[in-house]
Amino acid sequence: EAGVAQSPRYKIIEKRQSVAFWCNPISGHATLYWYQQILGQGPKLLIQFQNNGVVDDSQLPKDRFSAERLKGVDSTLKIQPAKLEDSAVYLCASSYQGQGDSYEQYFGPGTRLTVT
Amino acid sequence: AQSVTQLGSHVSVSEGALVLLRCNYSSSVPPYLFWYVQYPNQGLQLLLKYTTGATLVKGINGFEAEFKKSETSFHLTKPSAHMSDAAEYFCAVSGPASKLTFGTGTRLQVTL
Repeated sequence: EAGVAQSPRYKIIEKRQSVAFWCNPISGHATLYWYQQILGQGPKLLIQFQNNGVVDDSQLPKDRFSAERLKGVDSTLKIQPAKLEDSAVYLCASSYQGQGDSYEQYFGPGTRLTVT
Repeated sequence: AQSVTQLGSHVSVSEGALVLLRCNYSSSVPPYLFWYVQYPNQGLQLLLKYTTGATLVKGINGFEAEFKKSETSFHLTKPSAHMSDAAEYFCAVSGPASKLTFGTGTRLQVTL
């Protein structure tokens, strides 16, 4: 089966510009996650969707970050305006369900964002 | 609330030597525990997981981990390191219905 797809793989922008990342989860996976991985740290959950509803966005900086999953399949994460500290790898993951033994998350290759 | 501590940000072993990567967790509910591996410029790949049942868990590529509740540990081991094992390894914890919390990672270097 196809894995989690993300695009673009790399993006360089100047501070105060906007950027968007796209994720297509594994077919049939109801739960989709966006993580931020800053260099030298573990991934940090930004937002979790169950189908097209938000389950957890407690660590999403809502003044500049937004995410949507309108049809319950693919998702877009946007940053506007970007700050230097947003430089990181943005990982998308999906799982069949959001809990229990089906909680295993499958990760995409990530988008490496550099803000200059 | 859950947290993970990975002891040692860098570990270096010789090819053929034992690999031991340490992970201690804190959880207010019965934990689910995971080890992920990340190769350069790639996403995370699940090595193994503990949810319930047998405390010794075997994963891919010859890795295994043992859940020790009394020590709140979930250390990752492999009897004999291979050059291809060089990567970043992340321990993570969650509850049955809660989000994954990752450690800061351990970079494994394998030398000839």
